[in-house]
Amino acid sequence: DADVTQTPRNRITKTGKRIMLECSQTKGHDRMYWYRQDPGLGLRLIYYSFDVKDINKGEISDGYSVSRQAQAKFSLSLESAIPNQTALYFCATSDPTQGANYGYTFGSGTRLTVV
Amino acid sequence: QKEVEQDPGPLSVPEGAIVSLNCTYSNSAFQYFMWYRQYSRKGPELLMYTYSSGNKEDGRFTAQVDKSSKYISLFIRDSQPSDSATYLCAMTFSDTGTASKLTFGTGTRLQVTL
Repeated sequence: DADVTQTPRNRITKTGKRIMLECSQTKGHDRMYWYRQDPGLGLRLIYYSFDVKDINKGEISDGYSVSRQAQAKFSLSLESAIPNQTALYFCATSDPTQGANYGYTFGSGTRLTVV
Repeated sequence: QKEVEQDPGPLSVPEGAIVSLNCTYSNSAFQYFMWYRQYSRKGPELLMYTYSSGNKEDGRFTAQVDKSSKYISLFIRDSQPSDSATYLCAMTFSDTGTASKLTFGTGTRLQVTL
């Protein structure tokens, strides 16, 4: 099994619908992140969580919300999806005790299309 | 101006060539520098990590950091078709703590041809 698992892998949804992307990890890391990746814009941070009770907005949080259900689970919701939220979404984890030297562990991504 | 600039490519080279990938950045407070490799339909994976200025070598890969010029590079020697991927640079201020969030470049797509 992958260290960081994202579901679904692909999703097509209609404008205005609520959708949830799920992420679970077996690394035992406290820190979890949600990024979106767009051509020409790279990876941009949506939300991050340093533990179950600590959730913070990233640079592009408008239109998104998150839930940290447990150390291992971090979900991203689009309350009312719009077409410019079409992107590739990644969940990642990191371990602060190991520092940046070990980088982030990313999931395989969710390709979301809003029509 | 973006904090981290990276040429998107695509960069196409023949097998066996030396590849040079680069990023420039504007914030002199960045201290930790990373290169990630991302294959199609996969998440990025950490390839190289360096702290402050200097070089680091790992097999066919060499990472260089020039903080005075705010410029980092990744060199790939004897490039292979399996190196075909998108390469993202990333950097952060701090090794731990709330300042450890990564700032990414947009990625350079590399194609190594036979």
